[in-house]
Amino acid sequence: GQQVMQIPQYQHVQEGEDFTTYCNSSTTLSNIQWYKQRPGGHPVFLIQLVKSGEVKKQKRLTFQFGEAKKNSSLHITATQTTDVGTYFCAFNSGGSNYKLTFGKGTLLTVNP
Amino acid sequence: GAGVSQSPSNKVTEKGKDVELRCDPISGHTALYWYRQSLGQGLEFLIYFQGNSAPDKSGLPSDRFSAERTGGSVSTLTIQRTQQEDSAVYLCASSLRLAGVGSYNEQFFGPGTRLTVL
Repeated sequence: GQQVMQIPQYQHVQEGEDFTTYCNSSTTLSNIQWYKQRPGGHPVFLIQLVKSGEVKKQKRLTFQFGEAKKNSSLHITATQTTDVGTYFCAFNSGGSNYKLTFGKGTLLTVNP
Repeated sequence: GAGVSQSPSNKVTEKGKDVELRCDPISGHTALYWYRQSLGQGLEFLIYFQGNSAPDKSGLPSDRFSAERTGGSVSTLTIQRTQQEDSAVYLCASSLRLAGVGSYNEQFFGPGTRLTVL
């Protein structure tokens, strides 16, 4: 079935540095969602992107959906220790509007 | 309002025993999902319920795993004859059913049940 490759698997940064995680698919995606999971916590929805080339911002977070709708990125500007966690992308799969397939996630650690 | 709740939060069992994990979705959410997350790993889809439709069981790893959803609300995931490789966090999520292009089906996750099989 459809899958996405999420890179990098791990990223360690100094507080204040920027961070980017990428989600790549070999097939066109109808939409993409991003979730954040804090250590010991459960995934929490961040955003959904639907349109080709869409860019959305949430404070220091910038989300992009590629023109071909095959890739997406999450960029964090000036990381803070509160950004620590695993970031997952997810997409609707199997022709369903409701079933999501998750990427394997990028674990971000931030050195204060 | 109340979020998704799961019980128990932790379950330790012996190999070969059966376990039942419970999920209470957000009221009014017609879609319910079960995932498994092993330590440091991503989310592995197990099963999906949508309203009165037949569930999508395509992610269940073996016939030892089953799930049901009674009355379109509470769901129970049952693992029979547990094995050590079943040890993981089992996460439940629910979402609204929304139709139309660009509709959101944001999933709301519960806190999970950490299952340890000795």
